[in-house]
Amino acid sequence: KAGVTQTPRYLIKTRGQQVTLSCSPISGHRSVSWYQQTPGQGLQFLFEYFSETQRNKGNFPGRFSGRQFSNSRSEMNVSTLELGDSALYLCASSPDPLQGSNEQYFGPGTRLTVT
Amino acid sequence: QQQVKQSPQSLIVQKGGISIINCAYENTAFDYFPWYQQFPGKGPALLIAIRPDVSEKKEGRFTISFNKSAKQFSLHIMDSQPGDSATYFCAAMGGGSNYKLTFGKGTLLTVNP
Repeated sequence: KAGVTQTPRYLIKTRGQQVTLSCSPISGHRSVSWYQQTPGQGLQFLFEYFSETQRNKGNFPGRFSGRQFSNSRSEMNVSTLELGDSALYLCASSPDPLQGSNEQYFGPGTRLTVT
Repeated sequence: QQQVKQSPQSLIVQKGGISIINCAYENTAFDYFPWYQQFPGKGPALLIAIRPDVSEKKEGRFTISFNKSAKQFSLHIMDSQPGDSATYFCAAMGGGSNYKLTFGKGTLLTVNP
């Protein structure tokens, strides 16, 4: 099976702009989670989607949003970008936690730089 | 509030030695504890995971030891190799419908040849 894919891999944006990142989960996986990774804060949970519904949300401002499509692909959006949003954004897919499968498999990430 | 504390921040071992990384958690609702390995420029890769109903799990050279009463778990890498040089993260998940992973801060492991 192909792994989790994320596009684009690298992105440079200017403060105040918005950005959309995309994630395609492993085939058959229905849960998609997003994480932000920075040197200072480490890996932090953004949100999790299952069957197009957001089930869990981390402690990030409303500028961070996401959605999931019927084919389980997911996007996250960051509006009004700030310098502090520069980070590696990671997507992880999971088969179905409700079935007792908690394994999360990460993609390579999107490196976002805000100038 | 840091719910998963990981130590040490960095670790240097010789080839063939044992690498030990420790984590402690606070939330007793956690019921799933994975370890991830991350190389520069890559996403974290799931190494091994354990649930609190067992005290130890071994997969190849990697072993998780789990102490439920102390709320601690550790990763042991036997016969460490230079190719094991990477950053290792412990994590925890659990509590009802909570499917988020809470990560430790990471340990940079260097295995010298």
